[in-house]
Amino acid sequence: DAKTTQPPSMDCAEGRAANLPCNHSTISGNEYVYWYRQIHSQGPQYIIHGLKNNETNEMASLIITEDRKSSTLILPHATLRDTAVYYCIVRVPLFYNQGGKLIFGQGTELSVKP
Amino acid sequence: EAEVAQSPRYKITEKSQAVAFWCDPISGHATLYWYRQILGQGPELLVQFQDESVVDDSQLPKDRFSAERLKGVDSTLKIQPAELGDSAMYLCASSLDRGFVSPLHFGNGTRLTVT
Repeated sequence: DAKTTQPPSMDCAEGRAANLPCNHSTISGNEYVYWYRQIHSQGPQYIIHGLKNNETNEMASLIITEDRKSSTLILPHATLRDTAVYYCIVRVPLFYNQGGKLIFGQGTELSVKP
Repeated sequence: EAEVAQSPRYKITEKSQAVAFWCDPISGHATLYWYRQILGQGPELLVQFQDESVVDDSQLPKDRFSAERLKGVDSTLKIQPAELGDSAMYLCASSLDRGFVSPLHFGNGTRLTVT
């Protein structure tokens, strides 16, 4: 079963920051937080991942709380092409028992509006 | 950027027929995954390979589904016989995972319709 909780849907105005929350209160010390998104009829696209520290790349920023029980994905300037389902997933690294795989929940459907 | 290749993109088959999907992961990726995604739901893992070995097939319906990765490179997922409930998107993913943490990269899937 998925170990994360996300709101089912969110709206965001084009050009504004989109802040997508995720709760993972039962996360273990060896689990990473991953974010993927899926645009209709395509495979999931990797966005970003982190363990403890905040992370930033060309697509987004990931803010993880100090207790690691929740995180926020930030799309700094949302565009219409960012409309997608966003999945927050906790993942055990491959080199641990039963590790490697992603267990998807229902995700958050983000609608970016003009 | 290298991509995970899947074929066919779409497949329509009649129930009780056999169907097969092919996946070519990103070159050098050791780990390969097959997922099934029913419309409106998140992807569900079917099978995980490390090189040519199966490391997790606990969710694979083994009475009708089979998967192989003979040389540790490309992979085939087969369904025989297909049932109406098998209609879904079948996604393949790969990751490098050679002693360090790396993300899964997904293909664009095969959309299966069983009539």
